[in-house]
Amino acid sequence: ETGVTQTPRHLVMGMTNKKSLKCEQHLGHNAMYWYKQSAKKPLELMFVYSLEERVENNSVPSRFSPECPNSSHLFLHLHTLQPEDSALYLCASSQERGRRAFFGQGTRLTVV
Amino acid sequence: AQKVTQAQTEISVVEKEDVTLDCVYETRDTTYYLFWYKQPPSGELVFLIRRNSFDEQNEISGRYSWNFQKSTSSFNFTITASQVVDSAVYFCALSEVEGGTSYDKVIFGPGTSLSVIP
Repeated sequence: ETGVTQTPRHLVMGMTNKKSLKCEQHLGHNAMYWYKQSAKKPLELMFVYSLEERVENNSVPSRFSPECPNSSHLFLHLHTLQPEDSALYLCASSQERGRRAFFGQGTRLTVV
Repeated sequence: AQKVTQAQTEISVVEKEDVTLDCVYETRDTTYYLFWYKQPPSGELVFLIRRNSFDEQNEISGRYSWNFQKSTSSFNFTITASQVVDSAVYFCALSEVEGGTSYDKVIFGPGTSLSVIP
């Protein structure tokens, strides 16, 4: 139990579907992150929210749309994805710079 | 630019053997943090250790030990008397301390997949 919960754990979606990934933390952290982990590639930082404001967007395609309605919740809205978007999507949170990040168990996404 | 290299993609050892996972990093900053995380098959990354750039003391935690050498920009991880439960992917990561931000920009290495055979 790390304190960061992601739902769903597994998701299969068609290229024309719209779905959302959810991340929740009740650790009192002020920064939340989305990472993408593809097979045989390093973890890629997608988005960072700090104090509920998006502060980092690493050239992520617009078919991925993050939302942070409050400090405890983070969403990743997905639409018209491509098969190459199939990956493990990890959410993380941290309290301040240099502190360890707490990771969720990830959502395994398959785009068909 | 910052970069983390883990040259060993996959390692297999027999149970009870010692194994060292290599990590080499690049950064322009003098202040930074280094991390090791373990990713078991369940998917979640489990924190193992954090080291700041000013603390070059080696650390031991049970069967785990870490060797930080700034002169060679390396932060290697050794598991002594490996066990089957150590089988996982291990990631080394680097976080530069950027001024004025409240968040980390953590760069992960590609990971080393460790298999411990009974």
